[in-house]
Amino acid sequence: AQSVTQLGSHVSVSEGALVLLRCNYSSSVPPYLFWYVQYPNQGLQLLLKYTSAATLVKGINGFEAEFKKSETSFHLTKPSAHMSDAAEYFCAVSYTGGFKTIFGAGTRLFVKA
Amino acid sequence: DSGVTQTPKHLITATGQRVTLRCSPRSGDLSVYWYQQSLDQGLQFLIQYYNGEERAKGNILERFSAQQFPDLHSELNLSSLELGDSALYFCASSVAEGATGELFFGEGSRLTVL
Repeated sequence: AQSVTQLGSHVSVSEGALVLLRCNYSSSVPPYLFWYVQYPNQGLQLLLKYTSAATLVKGINGFEAEFKKSETSFHLTKPSAHMSDAAEYFCAVSYTGGFKTIFGAGTRLFVKA
Repeated sequence: DSGVTQTPKHLITATGQRVTLRCSPRSGDLSVYWYQQSLDQGLQFLIQYYNGEERAKGNILERFSAQQFPDLHSELNLSSLELGDSALYFCASSVAEGATGELFFGEGSRLTVL
């Protein structure tokens, strides 16, 4: 069975600081991994997706994530936080032949001026 | 704008009642997913349809049911409502049958059960 664990329900950074949101996955088959972002009063939208083509995945708004099979991790990073990055971020997993995407509990990112 | 439309955006009802949530997927998408988002449970997968056929079931209660119609819109029916059913219900769509592609989410229907 697939599962996702996001470490830290809340993360607070200063504007301009590094953003690091942690995600570990569990999958018995090669996974597809996703990061989604949810702004207040909106639905989720895709930031980036890993599909085994490259371990370092670049997404929108300057975010990127690195797939590390040995650590079963897919952490999300951004070199310099912006106030507009304040939102909730969800890591998710699926796999070939599966019909559902499993989401982590989410990490709320706060950006301080 | 994701292209996924959900109605109503907000719904307030009483315990024991029945409600229907509606979702219109993006043009061309054949898969529709329903998720429930609550503070204590997070984002929980409920059910998926592909081109009118049920493909996967998650943590969906027996009091809940869904269907996808020939025009590909979907409805989620919630009956005998309880206080704990208060949540944000999301519909998402994708072009593929499987779950390896991007999901496009609607803005959700916020259900409050009093």
